[in-house]
Amino acid sequence: GIQVEQSPPDLILQEGANSTLRCNFSDSVNNLQWFHQNPWGQLINLFYIPSGTKQNGRLSATTVATERYSLLYISSSQTTDSGVYFCAVASGTYKYIFGTGTRLKVLA
Amino acid sequence: NAGVMQNPRHLVRRRGQEARLRCSPMKGHSHVYWYRQLPEEGLKFMVYLQKENIIDESGMPKERFSAEFPKEGPSILRIQQVVRGDSAAYFCASSRAEQGLAFFGQGTRLTVV
Repeated sequence: GIQVEQSPPDLILQEGANSTLRCNFSDSVNNLQWFHQNPWGQLINLFYIPSGTKQNGRLSATTVATERYSLLYISSSQTTDSGVYFCAVASGTYKYIFGTGTRLKVLA
Repeated sequence: NAGVMQNPRHLVRRRGQEARLRCSPMKGHSHVYWYRQLPEEGLKFMVYLQKENIIDESGMPKERFSAEFPKEGPSILRIQQVVRGDSAAYFCASSRAEQGLAFFGQGTRLTVV
């Protein structure tokens, strides 16, 4: 089956810093989403981005489907950005395969 | 336009009891999916249901776990005779079409004591 790898596994930032999270996948996909799981465990959808670039406030994402990766950019990070960021992909099916996540901690 | 609603948000059960987790999909969505997140792991697919039908239960443990999505009412994930290893977060998602964009609920955290 399709493999999803996320990097880095852990990230500690000072408030105000920028960061880039990466998601590599092993096969072509028709669905890709980025999620933020906050410290209370809630799963928040950030982007639906099987290809192209999207921006929402301080967050933006780019998926290069032909090269099988997606990037999530966080600018001017805030303590509320802390949590785990998951990339999830689906390839011609309804089953989403989740990566193991990037654990982000933003320090005040 | 309410999102995917799951309840309860937190559930504590003693070993051997039954756990029932409920999921109301978004309005207009007839495809429901259940995922399980064990501690420190990503979410893993369990089961896919359409109204009154189980389409794919390849991710469900063979024993003690069952799911339904009746014609009326929410989808139910049922775990009989819970054990400590069932402690996890259970997420439900719904979509309008089979390979459409899936929206995830806030999850139910099951703790078995």
